[in-house]
Amino acid sequence: TQLLEQSPQFLSIQEGENLTVYCNSSSVFSSLQWYRQEPGEGPVLLVTVVTGGEVKKLKRLTFQFGDARKDSSLHITAAQPGDTGLYLCAGANNDMRFGAGTRLTVKP
Amino acid sequence: DSGVTQTPKHLITATGQRVTLRCSPRSGDLSVYWYQQSLDQGLQFLIQYYNGEERAKGNILERFSAQQFPDLHSELNLSSLELGDSALYFCASSLSEGGYNEQFFGPGTRLTVL
Repeated sequence: TQLLEQSPQFLSIQEGENLTVYCNSSSVFSSLQWYRQEPGEGPVLLVTVVTGGEVKKLKRLTFQFGDARKDSSLHITAAQPGDTGLYLCAGANNDMRFGAGTRLTVKP
Repeated sequence: DSGVTQTPKHLITATGQRVTLRCSPRSGDLSVYWYQQSLDQGLQFLIQYYNGEERAKGNILERFSAQQFPDLHSELNLSSLELGDSALYFCASSLSEGGYNEQFFGPGTRLTVL
């Protein structure tokens, strides 16, 4: 059983579409991080959110931390093929636990 | 390039064998983390070392052990290997001790147990 549940598990969309992926838990985290992993490589950190309700933007990516610091969402606007990858959320307290990820495919 | 190096990149071995995976953290980072990633389990935290001492343990089997040396590189030892141990093993490093710090991942070692 994953401490962090990510949904959807798989997502395949056309270039230019918008999408939102979710990361949910029953646990409260001191911070939450989002990573992107491409095939054959290690995860790369995209953002860290710390405060409940916090919203961070990274170009076309918008990250939100839930008010209770138990959940988070990642919204991508006008998705591009380069956004293809595995998106992982990770909740941190004394250590860090990862969700199983959302595998996103953006078709040209 | 994250600055974290892992060797070997690929490892193929047989059941019952023992292997050692090696990780060198980014320059200046004191914490090293080991993760196992398989298709059905996602990225599982195994163990963390900080400046040579064990700091946190996750879902690490008793057949697995790790250590961090004075030069801060780390090794993950996997023994009595089983087919189910086939996975990608990642090492990550961070500057300080807390799990909330940004972790920089290495390229991983792909272990195949036949």
